[in-house]
Amino acid sequence: QVQLQESGPGLVKPSQTLSLTCTVSGGSVSSGTDYWSWIRQPAEKGLEWIGRINNSGSTNYNPSLKSRGTISVDTSKNQFSLKLSSATAADTAVYYCARERLIAVRSTDSYSYYYYLDVWGKGTTVTVSS
Amino acid sequence: DIQMTQSPSSLSASVGDRVTITCRASQTIGRYLNWYQLRPGKAPKLLIYAASILQNGVPSRFSGSGSGTDFTLTINSLQLEDFATYYCQQSDFTPLTFGPGTKVDGK
Repeated sequence: QVQLQESGPGLVKPSQTLSLTCTVSGGSVSSGTDYWSWIRQPAEKGLEWIGRINNSGSTNYNPSLKSRGTISVDTSKNQFSLKLSSATAADTAVYYCARERLIAVRSTDSYSYYYYLDVWGKGTTVTVSS
Repeated sequence: DIQMTQSPSSLSASVGDRVTITCRASQTIGRYLNWYQLRPGKAPKLLIYAASILQNGVPSRFSGSGSGTDFTLTINSLQLEDFATYYCQQSDFTPLTFGPGTKVDGK
């Protein structure tokens, strides 16, 4: 049973870098086709996808972050991390890490490939305030 | 970015009711649509992927349908533990995007 656990400071000062780590247990960040994602949810708002990384270090980010985000993976510790530079109050949110899994679904004469976020951490609250 | 909308934004229901939530994408996404359940203090839970495939361990009272731009999540015979907020998410293009959520609470 794969489990994810977010960790990091709960309070970050404006203009500083928000740093979070996700520890993976019961599975491996080196798993071939999985992506490892960060998602956040500001209070009273919806979910926003931040970005993802795979075991070869290939990343995708949400352009809404304006290049402030960096996601990295540490296979030796079975962890992946998020750094968000120049934090502002708008970055105050619950931050979730999640595994994004690939599955092949067979139809009549071919396969389609789907990604979904099947394992999530419980989330960690980060407040950006002086 | 692909914009996702959901309706209703909230609804009140009773245990045993049938609940239907709709999700619409701003452009066609095939069947690249997932549904999640969020409850306070708990890890978000994947319910449905590829528009209609039930995730392992999810009760069969949950079902999904649709393709292209219009999708539906149905909960048959609502249970106490189903009072939660539900989000759709498209996985066809990055950035991945979520709907604004539908809160299901008790009457």
